[in-house]
Amino acid sequence: GENVEQHPSTLSVQEGDSAVIKCTYSDSASNYFPWYKQELGKGPQLIIDIRSNVGEKKDQRIAVTLNKTAKHFSLHITETQPEDSAVYFCAAALNSGGYQKVTFGTGTKLQVIP
Amino acid sequence: GAVVSQHPSRVICKSGTSVKIECRSLDFQATTMFWYRQFPKQSLMLMATSNEGSKATYEQGVEKDKFLINHASLTLSTLTVTSAHPEDSSFYICSARVSGGNIQYFGAGTRLSVL
Repeated sequence: GENVEQHPSTLSVQEGDSAVIKCTYSDSASNYFPWYKQELGKGPQLIIDIRSNVGEKKDQRIAVTLNKTAKHFSLHITETQPEDSAVYFCAAALNSGGYQKVTFGTGTKLQVIP
Repeated sequence: GAVVSQHPSRVICKSGTSVKIECRSLDFQATTMFWYRQFPKQSLMLMATSNEGSKATYEQGVEKDKFLINHASLTLSTLTVTSAHPEDSSFYICSARVSGGNIQYFGAGTRLSVL
């Protein structure tokens, strides 16, 4: 089955700096890669996603890149703010017809220091 | 965006009792809903995939008789933890996928504590 590795497990940055979280996946058939932000005691919230036919996607301060050949994808947060502090999960999903299986990374706890 | 409502947010129960958790998609129809379990400081582990009108598909190692899933309508799935024991204490999260779409929208989670 799919295996998703995520690094680093914890990340501290100064407010205004950039943060980068990296993930690798094992199943080349995975074709959808969402990123989720989870605040303490809450469910994950989708912040950005990318499909396998796209190499990069950007939404304001957040961007995601995908390298299908190397099977890795990354989340980039620029101009970090204290409210960006949370746990971030990457995921790799296989969508086939009506079937979807999502495998999550192990999470990165991001702390933005004011 | 799409909203998924999960109730209760927190439940404390005695060992041996059963607990039902509801997951509702409020503004969209969800053919498929997913149930996850999350241990402290760990990732989400898929327990089962719930399809409206059919039996749920359980992941390896998840006891179907222990974790009963019902998906009777396009907007509601329930997870019942039967005869709960302290080792069942965890954070349970549901998600719903828009019919025909890719994105899973998550509920706020249920913190289950079994005494």
